[in-house]
This record gives sequence, structure tokens and C-alpha cells, in this order.
Amino acid sequence: ETGVTQSPTHLIKTRGQQVTLRCSSQSGHNTVSWYQQALGQGPQFIFQYYREEENGRGNFPPRFSGLQFPNYSSELNVNALELDDSALYLCASSSQQKYNSPLHFGNGTRLTVT
Amino acid sequence: AQSVTQPDIHITVSEGASLELRCNYSYGATPYLFWYVQSPGQGLQLLLKYFSGDTLVQGIKGFEAEFKRSQSSFNLRKPSVHWSDAAEYFCAVGPQTGANNLFFGTGTRLTVIP
Repeated sequence: ETGVTQSPTHLIKTRGQQVTLRCSSQSGHNTVSWYQQALGQGPQFIFQYYREEENGRGNFPPRFSGLQFPNYSSELNVNALELDDSALYLCASSSQQKYNSPLHFGNGTRLTVT
Repeated sequence: AQSVTQPDIHITVSEGASLELRCNYSYGATPYLFWYVQSPGQGLQLLLKYFSGDTLVQGIKGFEAEFKRSQSSFNLRKPSVHWSDAAEYFCAVGPQTGANNLFFGTGTRLTVIP
């Protein structure tokens, strides 16, 4: 069973730039969620994708957007990067068909905005 | 409003000693409760979850947690801590509808001394 994989592991960007983070879900999982974890904080829910559509969103501005592909992999895009966007971005997958399927997390992408 | 409180930012225990990490939650409906563990530079690993039924749940690595509805608590326990348990521990609450928008606490960092 392949777990959740994220790429890249680390990324440095400049304020105002755009970034794309990638996630491959665990085999058998069809739902992907993205979380932002600032230093010293717990993860915060950004959004969730199921059947290639966003079906839940946390308190994040529209410059945070995403995609889900037919193979259930996903991208997180952040436009007009701000210094406060520096964080660990975690992708998690689960199975919508399995009620109470818990989230399985990847190791994250560490984004630094300078 | 949903929230999770982990009152202990940092706990230090001796190897072999017992452990209890506290978690209190506020949630508008019947919650789905989780404990996750995060090692440095890693993603989150699920330790255990509570959905319904027996209020004492067993997890991996010898951990257990008890759901107390009257106290809105879901404390994590382990009878004998191992040096490898040193990590950050997160309590989370979510809806029972299967949605993945979990609310996380700010975490408790566990240090284990020989």
C-alpha cells in the first residue's frame, strides 16, 4: 500500500510569486484535503477535494486554490505569496466510500517565503 | 464555534513513567475525535480515533484515550513511555459526516528523559 506522497519537500519563494505543491493520495483513497501548519501551531484546514471538485473550505483567501485529477492526485496553488504563507503544507487523503475513514497525512512541503 | 484546547505546551517525563496528555474540545454536534503524533520534519500519524461506542479506545504504540462527554475531554494516556515516544502530539475534532475539515489543537511537545 503506497502512502501519501508530497513534492517538493522544501521550497523557497519570494513574496508576490506563485507556487504549486503536489500530492499523490494513498492507494484506494479518493478524497484529498490540504492543511497549513505554521511554526508552533496545529494544522489548519484549507480545503478538500472529492470527485475533482472542492467540497469544503476553511478560512483561507481565494488566492489559495486547488485541483484534483482523475487519478485522485491533487495540487495546491498559492498566488501572490505573502511572508505569512511560510509554513508546512500537509496533504491528507481518505476514502469517501468508507464512513469514518480517517485522514492519512503525507510528510508535507516546507514553504519559505522571503 | 469549534475549538480544541491542549493546555500543556510541553511535558517532560522519564522513560518508563506513565503519561497523560490533556485535550478539551468545543463542538456543536457529536464529535469525531482523534490523536495524531508528529515527529520532527514529518507528517502526522494517526494514533487512535473515537467515533462512537466504548469510550475507552485503544490505539497504536500502546496508547489509549478516554472520551468523557460530560467534561468535553479526550485525554491520551500511556502506562509506560519509551524514548521513541518523544514527539509532538495533536488532538483533533471533526464532524461525523465524513467530511475532513478537522480542527486541531496547538499540540503538546513530549520530551522523554532517560
